[in-house]
Amino acid sequence: SQTIHQWPATLVQPVGSPLSLECTVEGTSNPNLYWYRQAAGRGLQLLFYSVGIGQISSEVPQNLSASRPQDRQFILSSKKLLLSDSGFYLCACLPSGNTIYFGEGSWLTVV
Amino acid sequence: AQSVTQLDSQVPVFEEAPVELRCNYSSSVSVYLFWYVQYPNQGLQLLLKYLSGSTLVKGINGFEAEFNKSQTSFHLRKPSVHISDTAEYFCAVSEVDSSYKLIFGSGTRLLVRP
Repeated sequence: SQTIHQWPATLVQPVGSPLSLECTVEGTSNPNLYWYRQAAGRGLQLLFYSVGIGQISSEVPQNLSASRPQDRQFILSSKKLLLSDSGFYLCACLPSGNTIYFGEGSWLTVV
Repeated sequence: AQSVTQLDSQVPVFEEAPVELRCNYSSSVSVYLFWYVQYPNQGLQLLLKYLSGSTLVKGINGFEAEFNKSQTSFHLRKPSVHISDTAEYFCAVSEVDSSYKLIFGSGTRLLVRP
């Protein structure tokens, strides 16, 4: 079965600083990969998804970007963080079939 | 585009009582339906899913859900809750296409009291 690793687990960054959140997947090949954000007290918002290396689809215009340099690696980035970027970021994987699995998440606080 | 509505933001219930968490969806095409649970400061764990076939699906931890196509609903139920069921519950839908994007409701916080 697949395992999803996210790091860092917790991050405190000043406004205007860059961001890099990394997600790697084990136990599967050529999965669909996703980044979701969960703001405090709110549901999950789909930010990006990828169906293959170098293929990124953005769901919401924003200050963030995503990249998929390898089959099982998905990176969420920003050049300059905003206060509104704070939240809980979840990487997810669709290994095959029709069920999406989630990592443990990364807490980002922008101060 | 599909959407999911969870009408109850919080559901308080006493231990050993039954509970139903409501979920309604909208979509113009065929969908898969899911319930996930999120314990504090953790990721999401799949409770159960409906793909096709029997409209009553059973999941982990004694939960079950029933798909009602005419009412576009997928309500989650448990006949007797425990304190440990206190968590955030998310209903989600994905359209049957190549991207399998999962769209979530806003979540329902289940608060089980002794």
